[in-house]
Amino acid sequence: QKEVEQNSGPLSVPEGAIASLNCTYSDRGSQSFFWYRQYSGKSPELIMFIYSNGDKEDGRFTAQLNKASQYVSLLIRDSQPSDSATYLCAVDTGANSKLTFGKGITLSVRP
Amino acid sequence: ETGVTQTPRHLVMGMTNKKSLKCEQHLGHNAMYWYKQSAKKPLELMFVYSLEERVENNSVPSRFSPECPNSSHLFLHLHTLQPEDSALYLCASSQSYSYNEQFFGPGTRLTVL
Repeated sequence: QKEVEQNSGPLSVPEGAIASLNCTYSDRGSQSFFWYRQYSGKSPELIMFIYSNGDKEDGRFTAQLNKASQYVSLLIRDSQPSDSATYLCAVDTGANSKLTFGKGITLSVRP
Repeated sequence: ETGVTQTPRHLVMGMTNKKSLKCEQHLGHNAMYWYKQSAKKPLELMFVYSLEERVENNSVPSRFSPECPNSSHLFLHLHTLQPEDSALYLCASSQSYSYNEQFFGPGTRLTVL
Protein backbone atom coordinates (compact mmCIF):
# COMPACT_ATOMS: atom_id res chain seq x y z
CA GLN A 1 0.00 0.00 0.00
CA LYS A 2 1.58 3.22 -1.14
CA GLU A 3 1.11 5.87 1.52
CA VAL A 4 1.60 9.58 1.81
CA GLU A 5 1.62 10.93 5.35
CA GLN A 6 1.13 14.46 6.53
CA ASN A 7 0.70 15.71 10.07
CA SER A 8 -2.94 16.65 10.31
CA GLY A 9 -2.25 19.85 12.18
CA PRO A 10 -3.63 22.41 12.31
CA LEU A 11 -0.48 24.46 12.08
CA SER A 12 -0.67 28.02 13.30
CA VAL A 13 2.02 30.63 12.61
CA PRO A 14 2.13 34.41 13.05
CA GLU A 15 2.10 36.67 10.03
CA GLY A 16 5.58 37.11 8.62
CA ALA A 17 6.89 33.81 9.98
CA ILE A 18 8.11 30.79 8.01
CA ALA A 19 5.59 27.97 7.77
CA SER A 20 7.09 24.52 7.32
CA LEU A 21 4.86 21.75 6.01
CA ASN A 22 6.17 18.19 5.87
CA CYS A 23 5.21 15.07 3.99
CA THR A 24 6.63 11.55 4.00
CA TYR A 25 5.97 8.79 1.50
CA SER A 26 6.42 5.06 1.55
CA ASP A 27 7.23 4.15 -2.06
CA ARG A 28 10.94 4.51 -2.85
CA GLY A 29 10.12 4.43 -6.54
CA SER A 30 8.26 7.73 -6.36
CA GLN A 31 9.26 10.06 -9.14
CA SER A 32 7.55 13.40 -8.75
CA PHE A 33 6.04 15.37 -5.94
CA PHE A 34 3.35 18.01 -5.84
CA TRP A 35 1.96 20.52 -3.38
CA TYR A 36 -1.62 21.66 -3.76
CA ARG A 37 -3.32 24.43 -1.81
CA GLN A 38 -7.03 24.11 -1.07
CA TYR A 39 -9.00 26.99 0.37
CA SER A 40 -12.11 26.12 2.34
CA GLY A 41 -14.94 25.26 -0.03
CA LYS A 42 -12.67 25.39 -3.09
CA SER A 43 -10.85 22.83 -5.20
CA PRO A 44 -7.12 22.02 -4.95
CA GLU A 45 -4.77 24.37 -6.79
CA LEU A 46 -1.29 23.25 -7.85
CA ILE A 47 1.34 25.55 -6.34
CA MET A 48 4.61 23.64 -6.56
CA PHE A 49 6.10 20.50 -8.03
CA ILE A 50 9.56 19.01 -7.65
CA TYR A 51 11.28 16.07 -9.31
CA SER A 52 14.91 16.25 -8.18
CA ASN A 53 16.58 16.14 -4.80
CA GLY A 54 17.26 19.54 -3.30
CA ASP A 55 15.37 22.79 -3.18
CA LYS A 56 13.11 24.48 -5.67
CA GLU A 57 12.09 28.06 -5.07
CA ASP A 58 9.15 29.99 -6.50
CA GLY A 59 8.54 33.36 -4.89
CA ARG A 60 7.78 32.85 -1.21
CA PHE A 61 7.48 29.09 -1.66
CA THR A 62 10.31 26.57 -1.47
CA ALA A 63 9.84 22.86 -2.03
CA GLN A 64 12.50 20.56 -0.58
CA LEU A 65 12.94 16.95 -1.61
CA ASN A 66 15.05 14.28 0.05
CA LYS A 67 14.53 10.95 -1.70
CA ALA A 68 16.93 9.07 0.59
CA SER A 69 14.83 10.02 3.61
CA GLN A 70 11.58 9.88 1.63
CA TYR A 71 10.27 13.25 2.58
CA VAL A 72 9.21 16.37 0.80
CA SER A 73 8.48 19.67 2.46
CA LEU A 74 7.04 23.04 1.60
CA LEU A 75 8.35 26.23 3.19
CA ILE A 76 6.33 29.40 3.01
CA ARG A 77 8.35 32.51 3.83
CA ASP A 78 6.79 35.74 5.09
CA SER A 79 3.49 33.95 5.71
CA GLN A 80 0.38 35.97 5.03
CA PRO A 81 -3.19 35.49 6.29
CA SER A 82 -4.10 34.71 2.67
CA ASP A 83 -1.88 31.61 2.92
CA SER A 84 -4.36 30.13 5.41
CA ALA A 85 -5.60 26.97 3.69
CA THR A 86 -5.20 23.22 3.61
CA TYR A 87 -2.04 22.03 1.87
CA LEU A 88 -2.11 18.66 0.15
CA CYS A 89 1.00 16.67 -0.65
CA ALA A 90 0.74 14.37 -3.67
CA VAL A 91 3.21 11.78 -4.90
CA ASP A 92 3.50 10.15 -8.30
CA THR A 93 5.23 6.79 -8.18
CA GLY A 94 5.79 6.71 -11.91
CA ALA A 95 4.09 3.33 -12.19
CA ASN A 96 0.66 3.96 -13.73
CA SER A 97 1.35 7.63 -13.13
CA LYS A 98 -1.22 7.80 -10.39
CA LEU A 99 -1.13 10.55 -7.80
CA THR A 100 -1.46 9.47 -4.18
CA PHE A 101 -2.57 12.29 -1.90
CA GLY A 102 -1.98 12.87 1.78
CA LYS A 103 -4.84 13.95 4.04
CA GLY A 104 -3.59 17.51 4.00
CA ILE A 105 -2.50 19.90 6.73
CA THR A 106 -4.42 23.01 7.62
CA LEU A 107 -2.33 26.15 7.99
CA SER A 108 -3.60 29.18 9.85
CA VAL A 109 -1.62 32.43 9.64
CA ARG A 110 -2.45 34.78 12.51
CA PRO A 111 -2.46 38.52 11.69
CA GLU B 1 -10.05 29.67 -13.18
CA THR B 2 -8.06 26.57 -14.07
CA GLY B 3 -9.70 25.86 -17.42
CA VAL B 4 -11.67 22.94 -15.97
CA THR B 5 -15.38 23.45 -15.38
CA GLN B 6 -17.86 21.23 -13.60
CA THR B 7 -21.63 21.22 -13.44
CA PRO B 8 -23.66 21.21 -11.36
CA ARG B 9 -21.79 22.79 -8.48
CA HIS B 10 -24.25 21.40 -5.94
CA LEU B 11 -26.51 18.37 -6.19
CA VAL B 12 -28.97 16.86 -3.75
CA MET B 13 -30.45 13.53 -4.72
CA GLY B 14 -32.44 10.70 -3.26
CA MET B 15 -31.13 7.18 -3.19
CA THR B 16 -33.32 6.10 -6.11
CA ASN B 17 -32.49 9.00 -8.42
CA LYS B 18 -30.30 8.96 -11.50
CA LYS B 19 -28.15 11.98 -12.14
CA SER B 20 -24.97 12.89 -14.02
CA LEU B 21 -22.01 15.08 -13.25
CA LYS B 22 -20.31 16.86 -16.12
CA CYS B 23 -16.73 18.02 -16.52
CA GLU B 24 -15.22 19.98 -19.38
CA GLN B 25 -11.61 21.03 -19.84
CA HIS B 26 -10.47 23.82 -22.14
CA LEU B 27 -6.75 23.14 -21.82
CA GLY B 28 -6.18 20.73 -24.69
CA HIS B 29 -5.27 17.99 -22.23
CA ASN B 30 -5.46 14.30 -23.05
CA ALA B 31 -6.05 12.80 -19.60
CA MET B 32 -9.00 13.35 -17.29
CA TYR B 33 -9.71 12.13 -13.77
CA TRP B 34 -12.54 11.74 -11.28
CA TYR B 35 -11.73 12.07 -7.58
CA LYS B 36 -13.86 11.79 -4.47
CA GLN B 37 -13.06 14.02 -1.50
CA SER B 38 -14.66 13.17 1.84
CA ALA B 39 -14.08 14.98 5.12
CA LYS B 40 -10.90 13.95 6.95
CA LYS B 41 -9.85 11.58 4.15
CA PRO B 42 -7.27 11.89 1.38
CA LEU B 43 -8.46 12.51 -2.14
CA GLU B 44 -9.51 9.18 -3.62
CA LEU B 45 -8.89 8.55 -7.30
CA MET B 46 -11.94 6.94 -8.89
CA PHE B 47 -11.35 6.84 -12.64
CA VAL B 48 -8.74 7.90 -15.18
CA TYR B 49 -9.23 8.38 -18.89
CA SER B 50 -6.42 8.84 -21.38
CA LEU B 51 -7.37 9.78 -24.93
CA GLU B 52 -10.96 8.76 -24.16
CA GLU B 53 -9.94 5.29 -22.98
CA ARG B 54 -10.42 4.27 -19.37
CA VAL B 55 -7.03 3.34 -17.95
CA GLU B 56 -7.79 3.18 -14.25
CA ASN B 57 -10.76 2.03 -12.23
CA ASN B 58 -10.03 1.94 -8.53
CA SER B 59 -12.55 -0.60 -7.27
CA VAL B 60 -15.35 1.90 -7.51
CA PRO B 61 -18.90 0.56 -6.95
CA SER B 62 -20.89 0.06 -10.11
CA ARG B 63 -23.40 2.70 -9.02
CA PHE B 64 -20.80 5.14 -10.37
CA SER B 65 -20.42 4.93 -14.14
CA PRO B 66 -17.97 7.16 -16.03
CA GLU B 67 -18.18 8.21 -19.64
CA CYS B 68 -15.64 10.05 -21.76
CA PRO B 69 -17.07 10.86 -25.20
CA ASN B 70 -14.04 12.93 -26.22
CA SER B 71 -10.87 14.27 -24.66
CA SER B 72 -12.55 17.48 -23.49
CA HIS B 73 -15.57 16.02 -21.73
CA LEU B 74 -16.02 13.61 -18.86
CA PHE B 75 -19.21 12.48 -17.18
CA LEU B 76 -19.96 10.58 -14.00
CA HIS B 77 -23.36 8.89 -14.07
CA LEU B 78 -24.88 8.23 -10.66
CA HIS B 79 -27.52 5.62 -9.87
CA THR B 80 -28.98 4.36 -6.58
CA LEU B 81 -26.38 6.05 -4.45
CA GLN B 82 -25.97 5.65 -0.71
CA PRO B 83 -25.77 8.41 1.92
CA GLU B 84 -22.08 7.59 2.42
CA ASP B 85 -21.49 8.66 -1.20
CA SER B 86 -22.10 12.25 -0.15
CA ALA B 87 -18.84 14.08 -0.85
CA LEU B 88 -17.12 16.60 -3.08
CA TYR B 89 -16.52 15.11 -6.52
CA LEU B 90 -13.60 16.65 -8.32
CA CYS B 91 -12.65 16.43 -11.95
CA ALA B 92 -9.06 17.04 -13.02
CA SER B 93 -7.08 17.00 -16.23
CA SER B 94 -3.43 16.74 -17.18
CA GLN B 95 -1.51 17.16 -20.40
CA SER B 96 -1.13 13.42 -20.72
CA TYR B 97 -1.49 10.32 -18.61
CA SER B 98 2.25 10.23 -17.93
CA TYR B 99 2.54 13.97 -17.21
CA ASN B 100 1.00 14.36 -13.83
CA GLU B 101 0.55 18.06 -13.19
CA GLN B 102 -3.17 17.91 -12.68
CA PHE B 103 -5.54 20.85 -12.76
CA PHE B 104 -8.78 20.57 -10.85
CA GLY B 105 -12.25 21.82 -11.54
CA PRO B 106 -14.31 23.52 -8.81
CA GLY B 107 -16.05 20.29 -7.87
CA THR B 108 -19.63 19.14 -7.36
CA ARG B 109 -20.85 18.99 -3.77
CA LEU B 110 -23.10 15.92 -3.72
CA THR B 111 -25.57 15.15 -0.94
CA VAL B 112 -27.43 11.85 -0.98
CA LEU B 113 -30.53 11.78 1.19
